[in-house]
Amino acid sequence: LAKTTQPISMDSYEGQEVNITCSHNNIATNDYITWYQQFPSQGPRFIIQGYKTKVTNEVASLFIPADRKSSTLSLPRVSLSDTAVYYCLVGDGETSGSRLTFGEGTQLTVNP
Amino acid sequence: GAVVSQHPSWVICKSGTSVKIECRSLDFQATTMFWYRQFPKQSLMLMATSNEGSKATYEQGVEKDKFLINHASLTLSTLTVTSAHPEDSSFYICSARHQNNEQFFGPGTRLTVL
Repeated sequence: LAKTTQPISMDSYEGQEVNITCSHNNIATNDYITWYQQFPSQGPRFIIQGYKTKVTNEVASLFIPADRKSSTLSLPRVSLSDTAVYYCLVGDGETSGSRLTFGEGTQLTVNP
Repeated sequence: GAVVSQHPSWVICKSGTSVKIECRSLDFQATTMFWYRQFPKQSLMLMATSNEGSKATYEQGVEKDKFLINHASLTLSTLTVTSAHPEDSSFYICSARHQNNEQFFGPGTRLTVL
Protein backbone atom coordinates (compact mmCIF):
# COMPACT_ATOMS: atom_id res chain seq x y z
CA LEU A 1 0.00 0.00 0.00
CA ALA A 2 1.40 3.35 -1.02
CA LYS A 3 2.52 5.68 1.74
CA THR A 4 0.97 9.11 1.91
CA THR A 5 2.31 12.39 3.27
CA GLN A 6 0.11 15.29 4.31
CA PRO A 7 0.62 18.47 6.31
CA ILE A 8 0.00 17.83 9.98
CA SER A 9 -2.21 20.85 10.42
CA MET A 10 -3.80 23.76 8.58
CA ASP A 11 -5.67 26.84 9.72
CA SER A 12 -8.31 28.71 7.80
CA TYR A 13 -11.21 31.11 8.26
CA GLU A 14 -14.87 30.77 7.57
CA GLY A 15 -15.80 31.31 3.94
CA GLN A 16 -12.35 30.59 2.56
CA GLU A 17 -11.40 27.85 0.17
CA VAL A 18 -9.09 25.25 1.68
CA ASN A 19 -6.75 23.06 -0.32
CA ILE A 20 -5.05 20.09 1.33
CA THR A 21 -2.35 18.39 -0.68
CA CYS A 22 -1.28 14.80 -0.25
CA SER A 23 1.88 13.21 -1.67
CA HIS A 24 1.85 9.58 -2.76
CA ASN A 25 4.97 9.04 -4.83
CA ASN A 26 4.67 5.25 -4.92
CA ILE A 27 1.09 5.07 -6.12
CA ALA A 28 0.43 1.99 -8.25
CA THR A 29 -1.29 1.91 -11.60
CA ASN A 30 -4.55 0.52 -10.26
CA ASP A 31 -4.66 2.56 -7.05
CA TYR A 32 -7.48 4.97 -6.35
CA ILE A 33 -7.17 8.01 -4.10
CA THR A 34 -9.72 8.45 -1.35
CA TRP A 35 -10.24 11.17 1.24
CA TYR A 36 -11.99 10.75 4.57
CA GLN A 37 -13.07 13.23 7.24
CA GLN A 38 -13.06 12.44 10.94
CA PHE A 39 -14.52 14.39 13.83
CA PRO A 40 -13.37 13.69 17.40
CA SER A 41 -14.72 10.44 18.84
CA GLN A 42 -16.44 9.51 15.58
CA GLY A 43 -15.68 7.09 12.76
CA PRO A 44 -14.25 8.43 9.48
CA ARG A 45 -16.66 9.66 6.86
CA PHE A 46 -16.05 9.23 3.11
CA ILE A 47 -15.61 12.53 1.28
CA ILE A 48 -14.46 11.82 -2.24
CA GLN A 49 -12.57 9.35 -4.40
CA GLY A 50 -10.77 9.68 -7.71
CA TYR A 51 -8.33 8.06 -10.08
CA LYS A 52 -7.13 10.90 -12.30
CA THR A 53 -7.86 14.50 -13.36
CA LYS A 54 -10.68 16.09 -11.41
CA VAL A 55 -13.62 14.79 -9.44
CA THR A 56 -16.29 16.97 -7.88
CA ASN A 57 -19.21 16.19 -5.63
CA GLU A 58 -21.53 18.22 -3.44
CA VAL A 59 -18.95 18.75 -0.68
CA ALA A 60 -15.49 18.80 -2.29
CA SER A 61 -13.31 18.59 -5.35
CA LEU A 62 -10.33 16.35 -5.87
CA PHE A 63 -7.55 17.36 -8.22
CA ILE A 64 -5.10 14.73 -9.43
CA PRO A 65 -2.23 15.67 -11.78
CA ALA A 66 -1.24 13.51 -14.69
CA ASP A 67 1.60 11.76 -12.82
CA ARG A 68 -0.78 10.95 -9.93
CA LYS A 69 2.03 11.36 -7.40
CA SER A 70 -0.03 13.86 -5.45
CA SER A 71 -3.62 14.94 -5.03
CA THR A 72 -5.36 18.00 -3.64
CA LEU A 73 -8.60 18.03 -1.74
CA SER A 74 -10.41 21.32 -2.20
CA LEU A 75 -13.09 22.43 0.24
CA PRO A 76 -14.99 25.50 -0.99
CA ARG A 77 -16.13 28.13 1.49
CA VAL A 78 -15.38 26.25 4.70
CA SER A 79 -17.40 26.72 7.85
CA LEU A 80 -16.64 26.09 11.51
CA SER A 81 -18.18 22.64 11.19
CA ASP A 82 -15.48 21.64 8.71
CA THR A 83 -12.95 21.59 11.55
CA ALA A 84 -11.81 17.97 11.52
CA VAL A 85 -8.98 15.63 10.58
CA TYR A 86 -8.74 14.83 6.89
CA TYR A 87 -7.09 11.62 5.72
CA CYS A 88 -5.76 10.84 2.26
CA LEU A 89 -5.52 7.16 1.36
CA VAL A 90 -4.39 5.23 -1.69
CA GLY A 91 -4.89 1.55 -2.24
CA ASP A 92 -5.50 -1.39 -4.50
CA GLY A 93 -8.26 -1.23 -7.02
CA GLU A 94 -11.29 0.57 -5.67
CA THR A 95 -9.61 1.68 -2.46
CA SER A 96 -12.61 2.21 -0.28
CA GLY A 97 -13.45 -1.49 -0.26
CA SER A 98 -10.04 -2.93 0.46
CA ARG A 99 -7.63 -2.78 3.36
CA LEU A 100 -7.09 0.87 4.20
CA THR A 101 -3.90 2.28 5.64
CA PHE A 102 -4.49 5.63 7.26
CA GLY A 103 -1.65 8.12 7.37
CA GLU A 104 -1.30 10.82 9.98
CA GLY A 105 -3.98 13.03 8.51
CA THR A 106 -4.31 16.81 8.43
CA GLN A 107 -5.98 18.63 11.30
CA LEU A 108 -7.95 21.46 9.71
CA THR A 109 -9.05 24.21 12.05
CA VAL A 110 -11.53 26.73 10.74
CA ASN A 111 -11.60 29.97 12.70
CA PRO A 112 -14.44 32.48 12.87
CA GLY B 1 -25.54 6.00 2.50
CA ALA B 2 -25.35 2.65 4.24
CA VAL B 3 -25.28 2.58 8.04
CA VAL B 4 -22.90 0.76 10.34
CA SER B 5 -23.53 0.69 14.07
CA GLN B 6 -21.38 -0.29 17.02
CA HIS B 7 -22.36 -1.37 20.49
CA PRO B 8 -21.57 -0.25 23.06
CA SER B 9 -20.54 3.30 22.24
CA TRP B 10 -18.41 3.35 25.35
CA VAL B 11 -17.42 0.86 28.03
CA ILE B 12 -15.43 0.98 31.24
CA CYS B 13 -14.10 -2.25 32.66
CA LYS B 14 -11.70 -3.54 35.27
CA SER B 15 -8.29 -4.83 34.35
CA GLY B 16 -8.35 -8.56 33.58
CA THR B 17 -11.91 -8.71 32.32
CA SER B 18 -13.00 -9.33 28.74
CA VAL B 19 -15.04 -6.90 26.68
CA LYS B 20 -17.07 -7.62 23.56
CA ILE B 21 -17.76 -4.95 20.94
CA GLU B 22 -20.35 -5.48 18.23
CA CYS B 23 -20.30 -4.09 14.71
CA ARG B 24 -23.46 -4.30 12.62
CA SER B 25 -24.26 -3.34 9.05
CA LEU B 26 -27.85 -2.19 9.42
CA ASP B 27 -29.14 -2.06 5.86
CA PHE B 28 -26.72 -4.13 3.84
CA GLN B 29 -24.84 -7.39 4.01
CA ALA B 30 -21.11 -7.29 4.52
CA THR B 31 -18.94 -10.30 3.82
CA THR B 32 -15.94 -8.29 4.96
CA MET B 33 -15.58 -6.03 7.95
CA PHE B 34 -12.51 -4.33 9.34
CA TRP B 35 -11.45 -3.44 12.88
CA TYR B 36 -9.31 -0.41 13.67
CA ARG B 37 -7.86 1.04 16.85
CA GLN B 38 -7.16 4.70 17.41
CA PHE B 39 -5.22 6.18 20.32
CA PRO B 40 -5.66 9.85 21.27
CA LYS B 41 -4.21 12.29 18.74
CA GLN B 42 -3.16 9.42 16.49
CA SER B 43 -4.38 7.96 13.26
CA LEU B 44 -6.45 4.81 12.79
CA MET B 45 -4.51 1.59 12.82
CA LEU B 46 -5.94 -1.44 11.06
CA MET B 47 -6.04 -4.41 13.43
CA ALA B 48 -7.69 -7.13 11.39
CA THR B 49 -9.91 -8.04 8.48
CA SER B 50 -12.99 -10.02 9.42
CA ASN B 51 -14.45 -12.36 6.81
CA GLU B 52 -17.88 -13.94 7.20
CA GLY B 53 -17.62 -17.65 7.83
CA SER B 54 -13.85 -17.79 8.04
CA LYS B 55 -11.00 -16.80 10.29
CA ALA B 56 -9.99 -13.18 10.59
CA THR B 57 -6.75 -11.93 9.10
CA TYR B 58 -4.68 -10.00 11.61
CA GLU B 59 -2.20 -7.26 10.87
CA GLN B 60 1.38 -7.71 11.94
CA GLY B 61 1.86 -7.10 15.64
CA VAL B 62 -1.78 -7.65 16.60
CA GLU B 63 -2.27 -10.59 18.95
CA LYS B 64 -5.03 -12.81 17.62
CA ASP B 65 -5.50 -14.54 20.98
CA LYS B 66 -6.05 -11.24 22.72
CA PHE B 67 -8.33 -9.68 20.15
CA LEU B 68 -10.85 -12.34 19.20
CA ILE B 69 -12.89 -11.64 16.10
CA ASN B 70 -16.05 -13.47 15.10
CA HIS B 71 -17.98 -12.77 11.91
CA ALA B 72 -20.80 -15.27 12.22
CA SER B 73 -23.32 -13.55 9.98
CA LEU B 74 -23.37 -11.16 7.05
CA THR B 75 -24.41 -8.27 9.27
CA LEU B 76 -22.47 -8.80 12.48
CA SER B 77 -18.84 -8.93 13.49
CA THR B 78 -17.66 -8.93 17.09
CA LEU B 79 -14.34 -7.99 18.62
CA THR B 80 -13.58 -9.36 22.07
CA VAL B 81 -10.71 -7.83 23.99
CA THR B 82 -9.65 -10.60 26.34
CA SER B 83 -8.01 -9.95 29.69
CA ALA B 84 -8.05 -6.24 29.05
CA HIS B 85 -5.38 -4.03 30.56
CA PRO B 86 -5.08 -0.25 30.80
CA GLU B 87 -2.88 -0.13 27.70
CA ASP B 88 -5.81 -1.57 25.72
CA SER B 89 -7.79 1.59 26.44
CA SER B 90 -8.48 3.08 23.05
CA PHE B 91 -11.12 4.01 20.49
CA TYR B 92 -12.13 0.95 18.49
CA ILE B 93 -13.72 1.52 15.09
CA CYS B 94 -15.17 -1.00 12.67
CA SER B 95 -16.02 -0.66 9.01
CA ALA B 96 -18.05 -2.80 6.66
CA ARG B 97 -17.60 -3.30 2.95
CA HIS B 98 -20.76 -2.77 0.95
CA GLN B 99 -21.65 -4.83 -2.12
CA ASN B 100 -20.64 -1.81 -4.23
CA ASN B 101 -17.18 -2.15 -2.67
CA GLU B 102 -17.47 1.09 -0.72
CA GLN B 103 -16.43 0.94 2.93
CA PHE B 104 -18.65 2.45 5.64
CA PHE B 105 -17.40 3.16 9.14
CA GLY B 106 -19.12 2.72 12.47
CA PRO B 107 -19.25 5.47 15.10
CA GLY B 108 -16.59 3.84 17.26
CA THR B 109 -16.44 2.39 20.78
CA ARG B 110 -14.47 4.07 23.54
CA LEU B 111 -12.89 1.44 25.80
CA THR B 112 -11.45 2.46 29.15
CA VAL B 113 -9.73 -0.18 31.25
CA LEU B 114 -9.18 0.74 34.87
